[in-house]
Amino acid sequence: GDSVTQMEGPVTLSEEAFLTINCTYTATGYPSLFWYVQYPGEGLQLLLKATKADDKGSNKGFEATYRKETTSFHLEKGSVQVSDSAVYFCALSKQGAQKLVFGQGTRLTINP
Amino acid sequence: SAVISQKPSRDICQRGTSLTIQCQVDSQVTMMFWYRQQPGQSLTLIATANQGSEATYESGFVIDKFPISRPNLTFSTLTVSNMSPEDSSIYLCSVSLTEFYGYTFGSGTRLTVV
Repeated sequence: GDSVTQMEGPVTLSEEAFLTINCTYTATGYPSLFWYVQYPGEGLQLLLKATKADDKGSNKGFEATYRKETTSFHLEKGSVQVSDSAVYFCALSKQGAQKLVFGQGTRLTINP
Repeated sequence: SAVISQKPSRDICQRGTSLTIQCQVDSQVTMMFWYRQQPGQSLTLIATANQGSEATYESGFVIDKFPISRPNLTFSTLTVSNMSPEDSSIYLCSVSLTEFYGYTFGSGTRLTVV
């Protein structure tokens, strides 16, 4: 079945460091790909998305590019802030199925 | 995107009792989704709720344990029945207006069973 694999956490970085959180997927067809963020004590918020190969999603300084050849959707940010500390989830959905399949989540902590 | 109101936001319940979680959406949607997030874990889909038909449950989840109602296109409830400590989780509802807008989540219900 469809699945999403994220790099294991937790990840701890210093402020202004470069961030990469790896995400790869297994799916038939052409899924849409998402990154969600969960701040402490809160629900999930959509961070960015891409619906077809080579699309780049971006928001709040974060970026991810849909790479069909490597079945990847890695999340990057050039300079992280303390406020970016959260759990990040990579997810996919199949057109028509509409349910989301989530990766295991990566906890990110940014130290000042 | 849609705005979802989910309640209660948290509850502490005695084992053996039931809790009903409500999810209200500000737009009409065909499908509503219920997820469970166990402590420190990712999200797992419990079921998909369509208006006017029985909910579709994922493997490992059954209607007797998690009955769902979907009386109209803006509202759904999930009941966690005969609770045990293993049911302690965050329960979230979710909708998608269109694939372009992605999926919106309620703020979640943090359930603790004692």
